[in-house]
Amino acid sequence: GIQVEQSPPDLILQEGANSTLRCNFSDSVNNLQWFHQNPWGQLINLFYIPSGTKQNGRLSATTVATERYSLLYISSSQTTDSGVYFCAVGPYNNNDMRFGAGTRLTVKP
Amino acid sequence: EPEVTQTPSHQVTQMGQEVILRCVPISNHLYFYWYRQILGQKVEFLVSFYNNEISEKSEIFDDQFSVERPDGSNFTLKIRSTKLEDSAMYFCASKGQANTEAFFGQGTRLTVV
Repeated sequence: GIQVEQSPPDLILQEGANSTLRCNFSDSVNNLQWFHQNPWGQLINLFYIPSGTKQNGRLSATTVATERYSLLYISSSQTTDSGVYFCAVGPYNNNDMRFGAGTRLTVKP
Repeated sequence: EPEVTQTPSHQVTQMGQEVILRCVPISNHLYFYWYRQILGQKVEFLVSFYNNEISEKSEIFDDQFSVERPDGSNFTLKIRSTKLEDSAMYFCASKGQANTEAFFGQGTRLTVV
């Protein structure tokens, strides 16, 4: 099956810093989403981005489908950005989604 | 904004008991999924469901598990004879079309004691 790798596994930032999270995948995809898992365990949709670039406030994401990676940018990080960020991809040959192992982000005040 | 609703939010059950986790997908969505996340680990695919049948299942989804769409709105995951290692957060998700965004419910935290 498709492999999804996220890096780095852990990231510690000072409040106000910028960061880039990466998601590599091993096969062509027709779906890619970024999620933030909050302290209560809920998966919060950040972006649906199978290709191209999107921005939402301090967050933006870029997917280069031909090169099989996606990036999530967080600017001017805040303590409330802390949590685990997951990338999930949907392969072309089926309709489900497979998750990466996540990046655990800690933003210190 | 439409959302996927899961009940209960937290369930505690004794080992060996059967549990049913319930999900109400977004109305008019056609694709339905269950995922599992053991505490501190990654989100794992269990099963996908389309056109009233299972379209794909993982190796985790063995005979202990079953899914059902008993009516036009609910999508359930049944776990028979629960084991301690079934303790996890279970997420339901739905999509309208194959190449569209998946929406996840808030999860059911299952604790087997």
